[in-house]
Amino acid sequence: KQEVTQIPAALSVPEGENLVLNCSFTDSAIYNLQWFRQDPGKGLTSLLLIQSSQREQTSGRLNASLDKSSGRSTLYIAASQPGDSATYLCAVRVVGSNDYKLSFGAGTTVTVRA
Amino acid sequence: ETGVTQTPRHLVMGMTNKKSLKCEQHLGHNAMYWYKQSAKKPLELMFVYSLEERVENNSVPSRFSPECPNSSHLFLHLHTLQPEDSALYLCASSLQGGFGDEQYFGPGTRLTVT
Repeated sequence: KQEVTQIPAALSVPEGENLVLNCSFTDSAIYNLQWFRQDPGKGLTSLLLIQSSQREQTSGRLNASLDKSSGRSTLYIAASQPGDSATYLCAVRVVGSNDYKLSFGAGTTVTVRA
Repeated sequence: ETGVTQTPRHLVMGMTNKKSLKCEQHLGHNAMYWYKQSAKKPLELMFVYSLEERVENNSVPSRFSPECPNSSHLFLHLHTLQPEDSALYLCASSLQGGFGDEQYFGPGTRLTVT
């Protein structure tokens, strides 16, 4: 069974500091990994999708890396802003009989202090 | 309207009530999903529909009954729920339900069972 872990569970940084969020997964047989942002009480917004054949994806201040063999992904957010405060979730699409399933981590809640 | 929409956004119901959650996607996708997000727990996949056919039922109690009349609409019919069913229910869609797909989420319905 795929287990996805996100450490730390919560993070507080001053504005302008770079953010580093970690995601690890136990089964390296994945199709892709997706990073999401969730604001309190709201749905999920997809940030980046990395296919299993890729090493990283970039979008603006966001960069996500994937090391499938070691079961790790890192989301970097450069020059953080108060508007980046949210919970960040990673999810992996597992190869296997259930190709539809995304396995989610519990998330990292980020607070950027002005 | 664009993207994935969900109604209602908030719902309070008693244990003997019957209610329905609605999801609509305007993305031309063929796969739709129901997820449950309970406090301090990772998202749990409940159901998956691909081309209006249910392809995944993740051991969900029968008091939750999904319906997918066409590829743009997904319902979750609720009856005789328990207080522990209180959660944020998220709908998502993807292009084909295949392994490379990116999932797009709606804003969720916050359900409280009294």
